[in-house]
Amino acid sequence: DIQLTQSPSFVSASVGDRVTITCRASQGIRNYLAWYQQRPGLAPSLLIYDASSLHSGVPSRFSGSGFGTEFTLTINSLQPEDFGTYFCQQLNSYPQTFGPGTKVDIK
Amino acid sequence: EVQLLDSGGRLIQPGESLRLSCAASGVAFVDYAVSWVRQVPGQGLEWVSAVSAARGSGPHTYYADSVKGRFTVSRDDSKNTAYLQMSGLRVGDSALYYCTMGLAFWGRGTLVTVSS
Repeated sequence: DIQLTQSPSFVSASVGDRVTITCRASQGIRNYLAWYQQRPGLAPSLLIYDASSLHSGVPSRFSGSGFGTEFTLTINSLQPEDFGTYFCQQLNSYPQTFGPGTKVDIK
Repeated sequence: EVQLLDSGGRLIQPGESLRLSCAASGVAFVDYAVSWVRQVPGQGLEWVSAVSAARGSGPHTYYADSVKGRFTVSRDDSKNTAYLQMSGLRVGDSALYYCTMGLAFWGRGTLVTVSS
């Protein structure tokens, strides 16, 4: 099975800051990676698919990059509504594992 | 508007069986794979199972090692509904179970609590 790790596990940042989250895969997954935001009490919400494609309706301050085993999610100019936990998921092969999550807190 | 209604979760005793349902509307259900993802409240996401679209040689089914041999995923395209049949339930299977389609579409989750 492909394992995903995320770093950092927690980040506290101010409105307007740039936040970068890294997701690493235990083996190459090409660009088959998605990023989600989950706010408390809600289902995850898709942000990025195919590593760098922005899902419809997602603000352009979110961007993704990477290929193979290392990927990043960047939030430019953090907004108050960006709090929550961010998960990566690999879709290269089954089981389609998730990363452990990165909690983003707004200072 | 796409809606996924996942249901069937309840309090159940260890060793018993339970079937979860995922009813879809507003989407061409037949074209999508359906996945089940679970989450212990306050913890991370765990991919559980998936059933592919039926076209071609499908549908094909996939399982996490933690549920293989105990859970069975299926779909009924005539009812726009997918199912997760869970047997031999364990305390460790307690979680909020989400159905999801096409990455972007998620149900609200249905809570399964396995406890004596």
